Amino acid sequence: AQSVAQPEDQVNVAEGNPLTVKCTYSVSGNPYLFWYVQYPNRGLQFLLKYITGDNLVKGSYGFEAEFNKSQTSFHLKKPSALVSDSALYFCAVSLPFSGGYNKLIFGAGTRLAVHP
Amino acid sequence: DTEVTQTPKHLVMGMTNKKSLKCEQHMGHRAMYWYKQKAKKPPELMFVYSYEKLSINESVPSRFSPECPNSSLLNLHLHALQPEDSALYLCASSHGPGQGSSINQPQHFGDGTRLSIL
Repeated sequence: AQSVAQPEDQVNVAEGNPLTVKCTYSVSGNPYLFWYVQYPNRGLQFLLKYITGDNLVKGSYGFEAEFNKSQTSFHLKKPSALVSDSALYFCAVSLPFSGGYNKLIFGAGTRLAVHP
Repeated sequence: DTEVTQTPKHLVMGMTNKKSLKCEQHMGHRAMYWYKQKAKKPPELMFVYSYEKLSINESVPSRFSPECPNSSLLNLHLHALQPEDSALYLCASSHGPGQGSSINQPQHFGDGTRLSIL
């Protein structure tokens, strides 16, 4: 079965420290991986994606993600966390669907809390 | 600012009411989506429209009725909802088939309508 796992319900980090939000996936074929962030009372905002090529992907707001095929992981990282990064983060894989569409399979989400 | 606009932001309705949620995008996307999101959970896909035609219905109860009047607009008509239908309803859009490879393009989400059923 195609799935995405985010093993941590919550990640706590102090402001200024590096942060990592973990994601592992299980898909057949090439994975198309995405990270989205959701702030309170807002929709999901696209952060970055991995399609092919360089395993280190840079995205919005200073975030980056490292694709590791052997570990089937796509962890989200940031060198220095900000209090304003506190939000709910979703990892997702895009799968081909009937009719040429793509369907996003989301992980359960990880709440990131950055403390001053 | 989000490029997908949803109205209203909040909606409270009784179980016998009829109401509609609206979504608009001007990014030229030909695929549009409705999702339901419960608190602290990931979004669940409800419907997919492509080129104004309903392409995917994820076994959604008939009390939810989607409509796509044109390539920029997506509506969700609500009737006789149940308390368990209270949730955040998100609209999204993306490239559709024929607009390049849609599988590697992100979906763009609106800020949602928070629906409460009394």
